[in-house]
Amino acid sequence: GESVGLHLPTLSVQEGDNSIINCAYSNSASDYFIWYKQESGKGPQFIIDIRSNMDKRQGQRVTVLLNKTVKHLSLQIAATQPGDSAVYFCAENIWVLTGGGNKLTFGTGTQLKVEL
Amino acid sequence: DTGVSQDPRHKITKRGQNVTFRCDPISEHNRLYWYRQTLGQGPEFLTYFQNEAQLEKSRLLSDRFSAERPKGSFSTLEIQRTEQGDSAMYLCASSLAGPRTGGYTFGSGTRLTVV
Repeated sequence: GESVGLHLPTLSVQEGDNSIINCAYSNSASDYFIWYKQESGKGPQFIIDIRSNMDKRQGQRVTVLLNKTVKHLSLQIAATQPGDSAVYFCAENIWVLTGGGNKLTFGTGTQLKVEL
Repeated sequence: DTGVSQDPRHKITKRGQNVTFRCDPISEHNRLYWYRQTLGQGPEFLTYFQNEAQLEKSRLLSDRFSAERPKGSFSTLEIQRTEQGDSAMYLCASSLAGPRTGGYTFGSGTRLTVV
């Protein structure tokens, strides 16, 4: 079936380096994507989102890139800090037919480890 | 408003017992979602409400699970006759209507352990 998946389960980077977390999606009808950060024992925290009519969006130290041709999404974190250590999920927003609502489908996640 | 609140944070119960979790969403959000997350996995959709109406239920939501949002504000998720396979983090999220509203706001979750 259609799903959202991640390429790497664990990513280790040195403090101060840039991090790139990748995500592949297969639902061609998806038109909105969100990146979440989840720290141990906490709920997912919104980082940044992007619509399918965009290919790049920037936030504070984070950039999301969307390549619809190959159905690929990436999250770039600049100058990675120890506080960035967490699990990162990409999520795909799909419409729910009943009631016209929407829901998120998550991938498995990538564990980002920042080494001092 | 301090965000989405969930209670309790942790629950340990014996197999066969019933448990109930509560979620208080952001007050102006009319949509409320329940997700389940097991270790090492992403959250899985269970059900969602638009105001007090439950509009979608996942196949993951067996007959032992019931969710309510009686006045369109807080919501409860009850699991009857708990099984060890029910052990997971139960997450609640809320949002405004529409898919492009800056995402969904999640609570910290209720971690259920069935022994």
